[in-house]
Amino acid sequence: QSALTQPASVSGSPGQSITISCTGTTSDVGGYDYVSWYQQHPGKAPKLIIFDVSDRPSGVSNRFSGSKSGYTASLTISGLQAEDEADYFCSSYTTTSNLALFGGGTRLTVL
Amino acid sequence: EVQLVESGGGLIQPGRSLRLSCTASGFTFGDYGMSWFRQAPGKGLEWVGFIRSNIHGGTAEYAASVKGRFTISRDDSKSIAYVQMNSLKSEDTAVYFCSRPLKLVQGVFDYWGQGTLVTVSS
Repeated sequence: QSALTQPASVSGSPGQSITISCTGTTSDVGGYDYVSWYQQHPGKAPKLIIFDVSDRPSGVSNRFSGSKSGYTASLTISGLQAEDEADYFCSSYTTTSNLALFGGGTRLTVL
Repeated sequence: EVQLVESGGGLIQPGRSLRLSCTASGFTFGDYGMSWFRQAPGKGLEWVGFIRSNIHGGTAEYAASVKGRFTISRDDSKSIAYVQMNSLKSEDTAVYFCSRPLKLVQGVFDYWGQGTLVTVSS
């Protein structure tokens, strides 16, 4: 199955806000509100930071927020901090497979 | 505290078999489906497959890239999920993670192990 489309990299300075996009189709992102976002630091396991488009698990900072418009979901990180430098992956429920789709990941660099 | 610990990785020759284990603690293992993911060096996450809880049939689903070669199973009495990997190829080289879903079908995973490295090379 095709992966969801994410930019390879984004960057921002401390204190700024950045947005990472995740583009799919009507069979996944565009058709259902089941988009999740994961943060992964090098050598570490992924961490769930957003699910169901905009819900945050307990303990995740409110600097992380999610949204969706049409076929594109977005993760916004406000008040960038050095520890936000990591890879970010999106995933979505899909009707084309028994397994959810994942994006290729976006490397966030905090300048 | 929920914990997932993978084991069984290592260096293996192409064509050989390997079984990975995911030992769980801190929750009622039998109530959850369990998933396996992998991440090749410098690459993104790939969902290898999952196994449903026995209440939901205990059946497994697989990514096309591993279907027919990998088998996911579970032993609820030991709180362990397994992935049996046969006919390994160089492209199976990756860190393998197990994960417990918050919402399985929707692809929401709230607990992950630290991963075990599988290197397929002669």
